Amino acid sequence: DIQMTQSPSTLSASVGDRVTITCRASQSISDWLAWYQLKPGKAPKILISRASHLESGVSSRFSGSGSGTEFSLTISSLQADDLATYYCQEYYDHSYTFGQGTKLEIK
Amino acid sequence: EVQLLESGGNLVQPGGSLRLSCAASGFAFSSHGMSWVRQSPGRGLEWVAAISGRGGLTYYADYVRGRFNISRDNSKKILFLQLSGLGVEDTGVYYCAKDWDFDISGYWETWGQGTLVTVSS
Repeated sequence: DIQMTQSPSTLSASVGDRVTITCRASQSISDWLAWYQLKPGKAPKILISRASHLESGVSSRFSGSGSGTEFSLTISSLQADDLATYYCQEYYDHSYTFGQGTKLEIK
Repeated sequence: EVQLLESGGNLVQPGGSLRLSCAASGFAFSSHGMSWVRQSPGRGLEWVAAISGRGGLTYYADYVRGRFNISRDNSKKILFLQLSGLGVEDTGVYYCAKDWDFDISGYWETWGQGTLVTVSS
């Protein structure tokens, strides 16, 4: 199965900061990668598909990049509402593996 | 508005069984693959099982194959997950999720809020 390694596991930043989360696949997955946002008590929300496609209704402050084995999610100007845990997920094969998550904390 | 509402989560003893349901509304249910994804304490998100729009194709994660069964009733717009042989490692919040495609693409554009399964003696 494909392994997804996400870093950092925890990220503390201030409102207005630019933050980047990285995700590495154990083998090439082309651009078959999604990013999700999880907030306690809420339904998970998809942010990005196909590595860089911004889903409808998602703030343009979020962007994704990468292909092959290296990917990143960037929030251009952090807002307090971005407090959440973020996960990458590959959908290259039928294992649909997630990264271990990045908990974003607001300073 | 697309809505997914899970139910059926409960406290169950190790070795026990449970059936989860997900009621869908606001979209053409039979035109979309569906999945179950769980969030376990300390283990993050794990995909569990997927089913195609008409139910003819199913996939399972290795750690649930043979114990869990995914099915759907398109006439009632309900997705099911039958869980059996439960272990403490199966504890978690189980989400149903709507695939963007008729088949199983493996990424999910809408999720429910989840139902809690606790396996404990």
